[in-house]
Amino acid sequence: RKEVEQDPGPFNVPEGATVAFNCTYSNSASQSFFWYRQDCRKEPKLLMSVYSSGNEDGRFTAQLNRASQYISLLIRDSKLSDSATYLCVANAGNNRKLIWGLGTSLAVNP
Amino acid sequence: GAVVSQHPSWVICKSGTSVKIECRSLDFQATTMFWYRQFPKQSLMLMATSNEGSKATYEQGVEKDKFLINHASLTLSTLTVTSAHPEDSSFYICSASAAGAADTQYFGPGTRLTVL
Repeated sequence: RKEVEQDPGPFNVPEGATVAFNCTYSNSASQSFFWYRQDCRKEPKLLMSVYSSGNEDGRFTAQLNRASQYISLLIRDSKLSDSATYLCVANAGNNRKLIWGLGTSLAVNP
Repeated sequence: GAVVSQHPSWVICKSGTSVKIECRSLDFQATTMFWYRQFPKQSLMLMATSNEGSKATYEQGVEKDKFLINHASLTLSTLTVTSAHPEDSSFYICSASAAGAADTQYFGPGTRLTVL
């Protein structure tokens, strides 16, 4: 089992749609979680950290369920510029090493 | 703030040559730097973690004699791919984190290496 698993994707959605990405992690010692976006041939950029209480940043909402070891990202009112690969990331317990999911590709169509 | 640069952004070299990639934190002191490699349609794979002034910690399966990492200052780390071969062609990305900043890593723009 991969340490961080994501929806296989790709997701093709029309502008304005709401899309949800799911992710599970296997290391129960993981304490920090993130969503990154990566555009083609570019470095990953931090989208948001994920907290137990859930957090929202504009059109983006992230949720964490520690009991199920499950993380989600919801994008509302999707824009063309949201097209990218979304990477779910968990830290490896008590060190700074990050474990990366394979990513889910999103294409927002006009 | 928290800008990380990488140089070069791309490089093409002949098989057997060595290539050095620089990673710099421009506006903060990076106590820890990470080197990743990403092959097409795959996720980032951590190669090694380096702390300033000490030897890098390499991930399993990464040859430390082939991928030489130096972290001589709080703002600069280098990765040297020695005797590069076509299978080393990849996207190499560094990231840096500051003391007391927990898990936050700031990424450089990456270096695309093509070995002919």
